[in-house]
Amino acid sequence: GENVEQHPSTLSVQEGDSAVIKCTYSDSASNYFPWYKQELGKGPQLIIDIRSNVGEKKDQRIAVTLNKTAKHFSLHITETQPEDSAVYFCAVGRASGYSTLTFGKGTMLLVSP
Amino acid sequence: GAGVSQTPSNKVTEKGKYVELRCDPISGHTALYWYRQSLGQGPEFLIYFQGTGAADDSGLPNDRFFAVRPEGSVSTLKIQRTERGDSAVYLCASSDHSSDTQYFGPGTRLTVL
Repeated sequence: GENVEQHPSTLSVQEGDSAVIKCTYSDSASNYFPWYKQELGKGPQLIIDIRSNVGEKKDQRIAVTLNKTAKHFSLHITETQPEDSAVYFCAVGRASGYSTLTFGKGTMLLVSP
Repeated sequence: GAGVSQTPSNKVTEKGKYVELRCDPISGHTALYWYRQSLGQGPEFLIYFQGTGAADDSGLPNDRFFAVRPEGSVSTLKIQRTERGDSAVYLCASSDHSSDTQYFGPGTRLTVL
């Protein structure tokens, strides 16, 4: 089965700094890579996703890059704000319209004012 | 519009008891997923429904766990003879036929004493 590794497990930054979270996966057939943000007591919320026919995708302060050859992808958050503090999960699946997701263990991001 | 809803939000039960957890997906979403999230971990896949049928139940840990979706909308996750190790947050997600995006509910926190 698919194996997803996520690093770091915790990340502390100052407001305005950038944050980078990295994930690797094992199944070369995987081609769908979403990122979720989870706040305390809430369900995961999709913040951005990428498919394997694309190398990079941006949405305002958030970007995701994918290296399919090396089987790793990263989340980049620029100009971090205190409200970005949460747990972030990467996930891996198949872009077939219906796909179970395999999640990483999560990164707790703390943005200090 | 309304998102995925789950009831109850919290459930405390005693070891050996039977519990039912309910998920109301986004209206019109044909795919429904159940995941389990233990403390400090990412969500782990349990079962996936396409319409009324369980298309993939490979994540169910044992035969004490069962899920139904009789009319292709609401789903119920049923756990028999609960054990302390079943304590976790049970998350439900749904998606429609044209998208890979899974929308998660807030989860049900199950505590087995």
